[in-house]
Amino acid sequence: DVKVTQSSRYLVKRTGEKVFLECVQDMDHENMFWYRQDPGLGLRLIYFSYDVKMKEKGDIPEGYSVSREKKERFSLILESASTNQTSMYLCASSSAGPHLHTDTQYFGPGTRLTVL
Amino acid sequence: QKEVEQNSGPLSVPEGAIASLNCTYSDRVSQSFFWYRQYSGKSPELIMSIYSNGDKEDGRFTAQLNKASQYVSLLIRDSQPSDSATYLCAVNSVNSGNTPLVFGKGTRLSVIA
Repeated sequence: DVKVTQSSRYLVKRTGEKVFLECVQDMDHENMFWYRQDPGLGLRLIYFSYDVKMKEKGDIPEGYSVSREKKERFSLILESASTNQTSMYLCASSSAGPHLHTDTQYFGPGTRLTVL
Repeated sequence: QKEVEQNSGPLSVPEGAIASLNCTYSDRVSQSFFWYRQYSGKSPELIMSIYSNGDKEDGRFTAQLNKASQYVSLLIRDSQPSDSATYLCAVNSVNSGNTPLVFGKGTRLSVIA
């Protein structure tokens, strides 16, 4: 079974703090993704990575950065947390399919971040 | 802008009935289609994937794909209260640029006992 884990289920931070969200997958997947999910807005892609040290911007990268130093680990960094970054953050991973981008994404349990 | 559209619901069905969830997509070159179920406060979990036109059955779930009409649907037979959740449709296209999977906003299903 694919297992994607995230460092925290719930996190409360203060405005201006630097926040690290970590994601680890144990299936040797090439691809890893960070989304945020907000009511009425659905899932929105923040960043993704197709290989170690590779990163690509998604739809809403502003205010975020990422790091992928090892294949199994993908970190999302909020450089200076703001209240509008209060959200559910979801990490996902997938293997590289016969066509680039196409394979099934498996999600971690999510981190509910509150920025006060 | 590639889009995936779903009726937000809620879709209410009585226990034991067939629930029909629909999804349309805008990108004609889309090749991979996924249905995820998401319980409140939890993360999405994969129910089914479908790649070819026609029906694909897995237990009480049937995915239907019609590429000519650009829609994909999910049928849930013998609906149970435990099926009450939000169902997300996701679509992938070759050469999709910076958005590997495009998700719909989901349809909320409520199965009434």
